[in-house]
Amino acid sequence: ELKVEQNPLFLSMQEGKNYTIYCNYSTTSDRLYWYRQDPGKSLESLFVLLSNGAVKQEGRLMASLDTKARLSTLHITAAVHDLSATYFCAVDHGNTGKLIFGQGTTLQVKP
Amino acid sequence: DTEVTQTPKHLVMGMTNKKSLKCEQHMGHRAMYWYKQKAKKPPELMFVYSYEKLSINESVPSRFSPECPNSSLLNLHLHALQPEDSALYLCASSRGARTEAFFGQGTRLTVV
Repeated sequence: ELKVEQNPLFLSMQEGKNYTIYCNYSTTSDRLYWYRQDPGKSLESLFVLLSNGAVKQEGRLMASLDTKARLSTLHITAAVHDLSATYFCAVDHGNTGKLIFGQGTTLQVKP
Repeated sequence: DTEVTQTPKHLVMGMTNKKSLKCEQHMGHRAMYWYKQKAKKPPELMFVYSYEKLSINESVPSRFSPECPNSSLLNLHLHALQPEDSALYLCASSRGARTEAFFGQGTRLTVV
């Protein structure tokens, strides 16, 4: 059974600081997604990582994938308040299109 | 058009009611999904439709009945729900089963 674990589950940080969210998964997969969710809202797609060594950047967020270590990271650079949200990683389970989500990391950026 | 549209946005229903949730996309996507999300939890897959055929049912109780009338529409029919079924119901679509999924805004369902 595929398990996806994120850490930390809660992150409170000051504006301007850097931090990394980790996403570990238990079985082989070559597709990993990062989503953002604001309170009471839907999921916004941030990154699609399709191969080992993939790195993608958008603004202050950078995501990477190491399929051998079964690890993805979401790095936040010089955080700003607007980045406050819950971030989910999700792994494609086989060829089914079924996404298994991590528990989510709630990020709170304080001014 | 890159949107997945869900209606209604909010729904309150009694345990004896029958209601339906609707999801629509016009991106030409051939895979559509229903997810359930409880407060402070990740989304959990309920159903997957691929080319208008049900391909995955995650052992969802029969009081939830999905329907895919055509490639753009996905419905979730609700009957005799329980208060613990109260949640955010998210619809998503993707070009194919293994491509990026785009989510709708969700329907916040409360069962009283």
